[in-house]
Order: sequence, then structure tokens, then C-alpha cells
Amino acid sequence: RKEVEQDPGPFNVPEGATVAFNCTYSNSASQSFFWYRQDCRKEPKLLMSVYSSGNEDGRFTAQLNRASQYISLLIRDSKLSDSATYLCVVGGSQGNLIFGKGTKLSVKP
Amino acid sequence: DVKVTQSSRYLVKRTGEKVFLECVQDMDHENMFWYRQDPGLGLRLIYFSYDVKMKEKGDIPEGYSVSREKKERFSLILESASTNQTSMYLCASRDTQGLKNTIYFGEGSWLTVV
Repeated sequence: RKEVEQDPGPFNVPEGATVAFNCTYSNSASQSFFWYRQDCRKEPKLLMSVYSSGNEDGRFTAQLNRASQYISLLIRDSKLSDSATYLCVVGGSQGNLIFGKGTKLSVKP
Repeated sequence: DVKVTQSSRYLVKRTGEKVFLECVQDMDHENMFWYRQDPGLGLRLIYFSYDVKMKEKGDIPEGYSVSREKKERFSLILESASTNQTSMYLCASRDTQGLKNTIYFGEGSWLTVV
């Protein structure tokens, strides 16, 4: 099993749609979880941290399921500007951060 | 705001040349990283450093070395560039204060080896 695994997509959705991404991780000792956003030919930028109780930031909701070792990101009311690649990031047991390969989202008018 | 600066954004080098990629962060972070990103392969860790003069190999250190003489500066060195090192290189530093553990990236250095 890969350390951090994501569906590469692309997810093609119309504006206003709700879209969900999942990510699974292999190390049950992982303690920190994040979603990063990366625009084409740009650096990744932190979108949000993921907390055990789940957390929301505007149209974005992140959830963590430790028992099943997966993280999710829900985007409501998609905007054209949400088009990007979303990277799932998990804190490793040695203090490093492990990146998924990303899920590409394309929001169409 | 955290600032991670990669001084060279776009470089073209010849096979066999020595290449230096410089990275500076202004937030007094102890942890710094070098990644490369290639289509279909995602981000791969080359080297990281937990403190001045300390370095640890990442997943793909072969063909690379690093230098951390000052806390704010982490340099990636390609001793003899090869065409398979054509890639985007991302430097990052990490805020480990409290529960943040957040990583911040520079804008990337696009290296082409011909």
C-alpha cells in the first residue's frame, strides 16, 4: 500500500457542484494531516489542516477517519477559481511530511 | 507572512555542469526541505535539514548534495547535472511551533539540463 494515495482525477464538474476528494494513508501512527492546493506551474499552498473532529473553512470541509485511515475534502458550490490540483499531506512518524500525488479538479462554466 | 525565496526561477544548464539552487527563509524555521516534482510522480523528497549543519537523505538523494551553513539558507547542489535531473525543484521550510507543523514552499526553480 502506498504511503499516501489519492485518485488522480481529473474531476470535471460544473460551477456550483459539490465535489469530494478522498485520500488514504498507510501509517496508523501519523499525527498531522493537511490539504494543499497547487495551481498549474505554481508551488503548493496550504489550503487547510485537518483535525480529528473535522473542520470547515467557508465552502471547504475536511474530515479525518483514523480508524479507516482516510482523509476527505469536500468543496461546496464550486467556483471556476477552485480549478487546481489538491494534494493530501500526512505527517510521518519521523516528523517528515508525505505528499500524495494530487487530485486534479477542473470546474467548468 | 512566511517567505521562502528561491533565487533562481528558470535555469538551463549543460550536462556535467555543477548547479547550485539557493533557498532562503525569513521565519527562523529550523526545518528545511528540497523536493523535486515531476508529472505523474508527485513531490519527491531529496534532502532535508533539521538544523544548521545537519542534513538527512530523503527518498531520492542520488546525484544531489546539500549545504546548511546558516539557519535561513539551504542550498541544493547538483555536482554533475544530467538530463534526468530536468525538473521543478521546490524548497520548503516548516513551522513546528505548537501544533502547526505547516510547511511553506518557495515558488520553485525550473531546471532544464541539455
